Amino acid sequence: EAQVTQNPRYLITVTGKKLTVTCSQNMNHEYMSWYRQDPGLGLRQIYYSMNVEVTDKGDVPEGYKVSRKEKRNFPLILESPSPNQTSLYFCASSRTELGLANATQYFGPGTRLTVL
Amino acid sequence: QQQVKQSPQSLIVQKGGISIINCAYENTAFDYFPWYQQFPGKGPALLIAIRPDVSEKKEGRFTISFNKSAKQFSLHIMDSQPGDSATYFCAASNAGNNRKLIWGLGTSLAVNP
Repeated sequence: EAQVTQNPRYLITVTGKKLTVTCSQNMNHEYMSWYRQDPGLGLRQIYYSMNVEVTDKGDVPEGYKVSRKEKRNFPLILESPSPNQTSLYFCASSRTELGLANATQYFGPGTRLTVL
Repeated sequence: QQQVKQSPQSLIVQKGGISIINCAYENTAFDYFPWYQQFPGKGPALLIAIRPDVSEKKEGRFTISFNKSAKQFSLHIMDSQPGDSATYFCAASNAGNNRKLIWGLGTSLAVNP
């Protein structure tokens, strides 16, 4: 089954404790993104990657890191989480650039993160 | 500065009615306009998308209407069903911005049985 998986689905942590949210897709997609979703603010892109070893900042990259060492994986790293990073996080992937033919973006199920 | 403005924020429709959600954009370079549907506890899923070379696209009960001169596009859900109750997001992108999606803030749709 074609899918984007994220782990963990729920996480409660404390300020300053480094954490990683994993994302994996089994569709051989080149494009992957991380979003955060907050009430009243919609979806905001954190980072995106156009291929292995190619990443770039989205709209709200501060406090986050990413890496793309393999095509299927795109982990999101919070080196020193703070309460303002409490949010619902989504990973997404697409075969190619959005807007081109067959460039559907698939989202993972989300990770709800609470930073105390 | 929000480049894609979505309205209304919430919408209640009776079963069988027509749900209409509107989006307006500013950047005339946008050339891809998708709508996403999100159910509670799930990630968004692409519902339907349009490019500006057509004024309308229909897939089942879902139709996108596109007005290039007014810089507006809308989602129409015909014969709305309780199962359509979800949050709907419009978005837009263009090649000049690495195809990054610019999202509307979402519309929470409730279809009463």
